[in-house]
Amino acid sequence: GESVGLHLPTLSVQEGDNSIINCAYSNSASDYFIWYKQESGKGPQFIIDIRSNMDKRQGQRVTVLLNKTVKHLSLQIAATQPGDSAVYFCAENTPQGGKLIFGQGTELSVKP
Amino acid sequence: DSGVTQTPKHLITATGQRVTLRCSPRSGDLSVYWYQQSLDQGLQFLIQYYNGEERAKGNILERFSAQQFPDLHSELNLSSLELGDSALYFCASSVEQRSDTQYFGPGTRLTVL
Repeated sequence: GESVGLHLPTLSVQEGDNSIINCAYSNSASDYFIWYKQESGKGPQFIIDIRSNMDKRQGQRVTVLLNKTVKHLSLQIAATQPGDSAVYFCAENTPQGGKLIFGQGTELSVKP
Repeated sequence: DSGVTQTPKHLITATGQRVTLRCSPRSGDLSVYWYQQSLDQGLQFLIQYYNGEERAKGNILERFSAQQFPDLHSELNLSSLELGDSALYFCASSVEQRSDTQYFGPGTRLTVL
């Protein structure tokens, strides 16, 4: 079925380092992408989004990059902190709207 | 805190039973979405309601149904429960019918024994 192709790897980084989490999406018609953070026992929390007419968007300590040519999305977290430890999901939305299609998630582990 | 509330937080029941999960969207949001999160399937979209009407359907089983009430809260009904229905069920809300940014509630953890 439809999927945003994200396996569930684990990324382990040292506190203070930068983190990069990658995502491949499958639907070339998707025009909106979101990164969510999910901590244990909680619901997904919105981090940052980007529309398909952009290739980069920056937030506070986070940057999302979009490469439509290869259908690739990445989330960069600067100066990673222990509080950033969580599972990160990318999600896509198509012009038809409504549902978000989620990837499988990447678990980020930050070592102090 | 996203502003989306869900009750109950945990639910333990037996196979064959029926349960109702409740969601209150953020103030002002007209769209409500239901998602199921299981270990082997990740986050899967179930159904969307906008201002009381069904707008989109995902891989929702026939044993499952939902509705959105005039006060915009929503309920997800799961019947003839099976062991495989054990999962986290999330509700999300957004302002418009197609509003890309969806805000998620804390979820209901359903355990079917």
